[in-house]
Amino acid sequence: AQSVSQHNHHVILSEAASLELGCNYSYGGTVNLFWYVQYPGQHLQLLLKYFSGDPLVKGIKGFEAEFIKSKFSFNLRKPSVQWSDTAEYFCAVIPAWGTDKLIFGTGTRLQVFP
Amino acid sequence: DSGVTQTPKHLITATGQRVTLRCSPRSGDLSVYWYQQSLDQGLQFLIQYYNGEERAKGNILERFSAQQFPDLHSELNLSSLELGDSALYFCASSMPLGLSSGNTIYFGEGSWLTVV
Repeated sequence: AQSVSQHNHHVILSEAASLELGCNYSYGGTVNLFWYVQYPGQHLQLLLKYFSGDPLVKGIKGFEAEFIKSKFSFNLRKPSVQWSDTAEYFCAVIPAWGTDKLIFGTGTRLQVFP
Repeated sequence: DSGVTQTPKHLITATGQRVTLRCSPRSGDLSVYWYQQSLDQGLQFLIQYYNGEERAKGNILERFSAQQFPDLHSELNLSSLELGDSALYFCASSMPLGLSSGNTIYFGEGSWLTVV
């Protein structure tokens, strides 16, 4: 079945550690890719998005993601996390051939300790 | 603040009852989306409306229905509620032409529904 997979369900890091969250999708063809963040008690906020062009996308708050088409992946990275990055992170995909249906992964809960 | 407004923020109701969740999209956005977030199902796309018409349907139960009004606000109606319907229901909106054009989808803060 077509889906979006986030294999890391729960990640625990210390401040200043580097972060990489995995995201894989199973849709063929062109896709639009997104990372959203949900801070505790808040709504989903867009971190970054990829539609075309440079596969290395820079987002807000020092996050970046790399689209690797051959691996169907769009991993999220941050060189040095902060306590304030504690949140849930969602990868999402729109298969560009279809409607504007944003398909989410199951999310990764990140806890950063001081 | 995303500009997407949802009411009510919290709602507790009994099984078998019916509730209506309301969403006001960002100014200028014609597309409205509804999502359900629960612990066991994650974020599930329910339905999308574009300028008053249904555009895409996801995992929406037959007991649920939605509509988008001429002023572009949307309502999600949940009926014959079951315990398993307890979840956070998000509304989102985007600019005309939707996401395939490169526009961004903005989420509201959600409506917490607890069915007891």
